[in-house]
Amino acid sequence: GAVVSQHPSRVICKSGTSVKIECRSLDFQATTMFWYRQFPKKSLMLMATSNEGSKATYEQGVEKDKFLINHASLTLSTLTVTSAHPEDSSFYICSAYDFLGTYGYTFGSGTRLTVV
Amino acid sequence: KNQVEQSPQSLIILEGKNCTLQCNYTVSPFSNLRWYKQDTGRGPVSLTIMTFSENTKSNGRYTATLDADTKQSSLHITASQLSDSASYICVVSPNSGNTPLVFGKGTRLSVIA
Repeated sequence: GAVVSQHPSRVICKSGTSVKIECRSLDFQATTMFWYRQFPKKSLMLMATSNEGSKATYEQGVEKDKFLINHASLTLSTLTVTSAHPEDSSFYICSAYDFLGTYGYTFGSGTRLTVV
Repeated sequence: KNQVEQSPQSLIILEGKNCTLQCNYTVSPFSNLRWYKQDTGRGPVSLTIMTFSENTKSNGRYTATLDADTKQSSLHITASQLSDSASYICVVSPNSGNTPLVFGKGTRLSVIA
């Protein structure tokens, strides 16, 4: 089956620094990747949709300059949280859509970000 | 507005018992409905996926049903195990292809010995 690798699984950073989260589709090509944020005991909240080779589409209320998304290849998308603040602490999850439609949507294992 | 409503919000059952989780949706157009299991601190893992023409689909002890006319789905878990403790999320895809999914808020299941 399809596997999406998300790295790192946990990260602690100081306020003001930037953190990069990687999302890789290991055995399929993902033309589209989705980035979600999840608060404790809440459902996933879509942050942005990224298509390979083009700019990401951000959901209303999500700052594109703060959450930089790059989708330079069919197997890799990155989310960079810039100038992180404690309120950015959250669980971030990516999802990759299989280009051929074989696997549909596959989620990464998530990244727990803690900003201190 | 596209919405997915799940019930109950949380559920506690004894190990070995069966349970059924409910999902109602108002998503239109409708392409498919998925059930995911999400362990705490982990990403969602797919259990079943059904198109509008499918009424039921099983995956081991998990059986999902779909009534596209009433826009209802259920996930039945038989002979529950402690490892079934997790959040179960109902997710609807409005269209085929790479469009964003519509998520329910999930049902938090706790299986106790």
